[in-house]
Amino acid sequence: AQSVTQPDIHITVSEGASLELRCNYSYGATPYLFWYVQSPGQGLQLLLKYFSGDTLVQGIKGFEAEFKRSQSSFNLRKPSVHWSDAAEYFCAAGGVTGGGNKLTFGTGTQLKVEL
Amino acid sequence: KAGVTQTPRYLIKTRGQQVTLSCSPISGHRSVSWYQQTPGQGLQFLFEYFSETQRNKGNFPGRFSGRQFSNSRSEMNVSTLELGDSALYLCASSLAYQANEAFFGQGTRLTVV
Repeated sequence: AQSVTQPDIHITVSEGASLELRCNYSYGATPYLFWYVQSPGQGLQLLLKYFSGDTLVQGIKGFEAEFKRSQSSFNLRKPSVHWSDAAEYFCAAGGVTGGGNKLTFGTGTQLKVEL
Repeated sequence: KAGVTQTPRYLIKTRGQQVTLSCSPISGHRSVSWYQQTPGQGLQFLFEYFSETQRNKGNFPGRFSGRQFSNSRSEMNVSTLELGDSALYLCASSLAYQANEAFFGQGTRLTVV
C-alpha cells in the first residue's frame, strides 16, 4: 500500500537554529512529492514540490527539500528558523498514473519555535 | 487571482442531519478534490471530480457524496451525520486531471453534536 511517514510528531527548535523535518515514502514507483504547511485553523499552503530532475528543490519562505531515492526520503530543511515558521508541516505524495490529483499525506510534524 | 473558496467556514449540526459544503476552485481550474482532516486519522482523501465526473474515491462510506457543476464548483454532502464526522473538510483545486499540483482552501470546520 502507498504510504507517507513522518517519524517526528513534534519538533522544537530555537529561533535562528537550523531545521530538518523527515519524510519517507513507500510507493511502487517514485511518486511526485510535496511539502505543505498549515497554520492553526487554516488550509494547506504548498511550500515546494519535486517531480523529477534536480534532487534539491527550493521553495517559498526559505525552505528547501532534498530527494534521496536510495532512502525513499524527501526531507525538508531551513537554515535559520523564524518564529513565524511555527506551524504543522505535512509531507505528501501523489502523481500515480490513474490517480488523478489524489495526495497521500503523512501524519504531520508540529513545529514549535522557542524565542 | 482569487484562491479556493470554501463555504461556510464553520458549521454545527446535530447527529442524523445532513450537510452540504461548497467549494469554488481557482478560476480556470477544472479539478476539485476533497479531504477530511481529523486529529485521529489525519488528512484523508474523499474524492476527486473532474469535468463533472467523479474520477477517484477514497475509503469512505456512501453517506459521503459529492458533485461538480459545469462551472467547476463542487459540493460535498454528508447524510445521516455521526459524531465522528466532526472534522475540517478541505477542498483542493487543480488545473486539470493529473495536474499534480493542488491548491487548498481554508476549509470548513464541521462540528456534529
